[in-house]
Amino acid sequence: KNQVEQSPQSLIILEGKNCTLQCNYTVSPFSNLRWYKQDTGRGPVSLTIMTFSENTKSNGRYTATLDADTKQSSLHITASQLSDSASYICVVFLSGNTPLVFGKGTRLSVIA
Amino acid sequence: GEEVAQTPKHLVRGEGQKAKLYCAPIKGHSYVFWYQQVLKNEFKFLISFQNENVFDETGMPKERFSAKCLPNSPCSLEIQATKLEDSAVYFCASSQSQGGGEQYFGPGTRLTVT
Repeated sequence: KNQVEQSPQSLIILEGKNCTLQCNYTVSPFSNLRWYKQDTGRGPVSLTIMTFSENTKSNGRYTATLDADTKQSSLHITASQLSDSASYICVVFLSGNTPLVFGKGTRLSVIA
Repeated sequence: GEEVAQTPKHLVRGEGQKAKLYCAPIKGHSYVFWYQQVLKNEFKFLISFQNENVFDETGMPKERFSAKCLPNSPCSLEIQATKLEDSAVYFCASSQSQGGGEQYFGPGTRLTVT
């Protein structure tokens, strides 16, 4: 069964600190993996996209990693800001026309 | 437009009433997707369209749910005889391509069934 598991479920960190969110997937056939940020009351917005051959990709303070062998991905946020408070969702795109597989997300709260 | 637009933002219906949600995809995008998010859990795929044609409806409940994307009109998702468990946020996304193409999400419609 295609599944995406994220951890932790929720996380509280102080402003300025770094954090890492985890995503494990059992999905086939894999096309690419994306991390989305979903602010409260808004739709998800794509942060990064990782294809099978990519190990690391950065987007400002966000750095995503992908290990296709162990089927794990992480999202590292550096020097967190209050505006980083949101849900971060790991989404796996499959090859062909199969619908996306979503994780349940990690709820991040950055506090002053 | 440059953003996916969804209306209404909030919708409250009594159990058994009909609910209709609308989505205007980004101009030039051929694919439209509907997702259901219950209680901030994972997104559940409902249905996708390629222009006005149903592309994949494997996630649609067999009864009560229907959807359309007609030319020159917003796409719509309709729920007949709503039930309490239909309470969720319904997101629409649009894309230039199916499969691995980037999907752009709308802000969602929060449906509350009382």
